[in-house]
Amino acid sequence: EVQLVQSGAEVKKPGESLKISCKGSGYRFTSYWIGWVRQMPGKGLEWMGIIYPGDSDTRYSPSFQGQVTISADKSISTAYLQWSSLEASDTAMYYCARYASLSAGSDYWGQGTLVTVSS
Amino acid sequence: QSALTQPASVSGSPGQSITISCTGTRSDVGGYNYVSWYQQHPGKAPKLMIYEVSSRPSGVPDRFSGSKSGNTASLTISGLQAEDEADYYCSSYTSSSTVVFGGGTKLTVL
Repeated sequence: EVQLVQSGAEVKKPGESLKISCKGSGYRFTSYWIGWVRQMPGKGLEWMGIIYPGDSDTRYSPSFQGQVTISADKSISTAYLQWSSLEASDTAMYYCARYASLSAGSDYWGQGTLVTVSS
Repeated sequence: QSALTQPASVSGSPGQSITISCTGTRSDVGGYNYVSWYQQHPGKAPKLMIYEVSSRPSGVPDRFSGSKSGNTASLTISGLQAEDEADYYCSSYTSSSTVVFGGGTKLTVL
């Protein structure tokens, strides 16, 4: 069974760093892209970026380029989304999702990680 | 890249059909047959309903169908059911080798 399991909810202060994770199982992790999607409270889905763990090819939405870093450790089938300095506006639910290709849509999603940034 | 344009809300009665539009540009929707549609119920992760404009993943009812004309893609739900009430998002591959979502449409089943 394909599963994407994300790390738990986080409460952080502005200026702090954070790295959240998404562990894939039930499929060949290196053969599928993992994308990250932001959903701010009461708002829509925003595509942040994507990584191909097989060769670490990474793409970012222009809106998120330079704001976050996407990485993956294929030895443990885990993708990451990280911030070096959080802002209150980063408060959101973050989902990871599996893509067979960028054209095919994301067929499996993680359960989401709620990040709250507050002083 | 700008978000794709969707109506904020649509509604229909049980058994009726509704259509949700998704308008982009030649750099995304119009340039590729790579439009996907997602359904999201409150507090849940999105679910893929349509990919590559009109293909349905296994398990998605054939009441859901997709199409595209020019820069506008559409999701049609026929035989509306109460459980179809949810938010719907389109997404498209772009000429920058990225993906962009639409703003989302809230479907109300009256």
